[in-house]
Amino acid sequence: DAGITQSPRHKVTETGTPVTLRCHQTENHRYMYWYRQDPGHGLRLIHYSYGVKDTDKGEVSDGYSVSRSKTEDFLLTLESATSSQTSVYFCAISDKGDSEQYFGPGTRLTVT
Amino acid sequence: QQQVKQSPQSLIVQKGGISIINCAYENTAFDYFPWYQQFPGKGPALLIAIRPDVSEKKEGRFTISFNKSAKQFSLHIMDSQPGDSATYFCAALRAGGFKTIFGAGTRLFVKA
Repeated sequence: DAGITQSPRHKVTETGTPVTLRCHQTENHRYMYWYRQDPGHGLRLIHYSYGVKDTDKGEVSDGYSVSRSKTEDFLLTLESATSSQTSVYFCAISDKGDSEQYFGPGTRLTVT
Repeated sequence: QQQVKQSPQSLIVQKGGISIINCAYENTAFDYFPWYQQFPGKGPALLIAIRPDVSEKKEGRFTISFNKSAKQFSLHIMDSQPGDSATYFCAALRAGGFKTIFGAGTRLFVKA
């Protein structure tokens, strides 16, 4: 998985609790992305980063925030988890914005 | 304008047959069209990609056909094998951009 790790790999949490997912890369790529994958919807972009401390919203950003204080780490936070945020979350990296992305192994999050 | 429509949702093919997955887009600013392959429990991985200056690109058993005037592109898998059973995503992005738009995915099953 191209030097990308995600933690945790699985998490079960209760509605209303905060959750932070971590993406760590060893490729020194500039761009990092968070996606969620749900049946029938493919991969939907939550947030992305184009440099340290430079982030922007994707198409499904409500209820999520991100931070990137170092090139190698991109954190996704669910401030108050809801059942609709039950999903598989993928981190991806890219060295150029308009080229292929490399995906991490994913985090399966269940909100009960 | 940002959507990429992918069909079919699922596909069953006999071993040795040809698998065909189609995608259509609206935004004429898109100029990079990758296909990703995803096995269960894994993140997507780039399979093959094309830019609109060519009408076809072939890598082994995998071929992308691109029709710029119709704003359509397709993936052909020749001599399909059980090991090709996976979910396939088409995608599109524009030059200088860094938001990849994914299709909803096609689940391919190749019967032995």
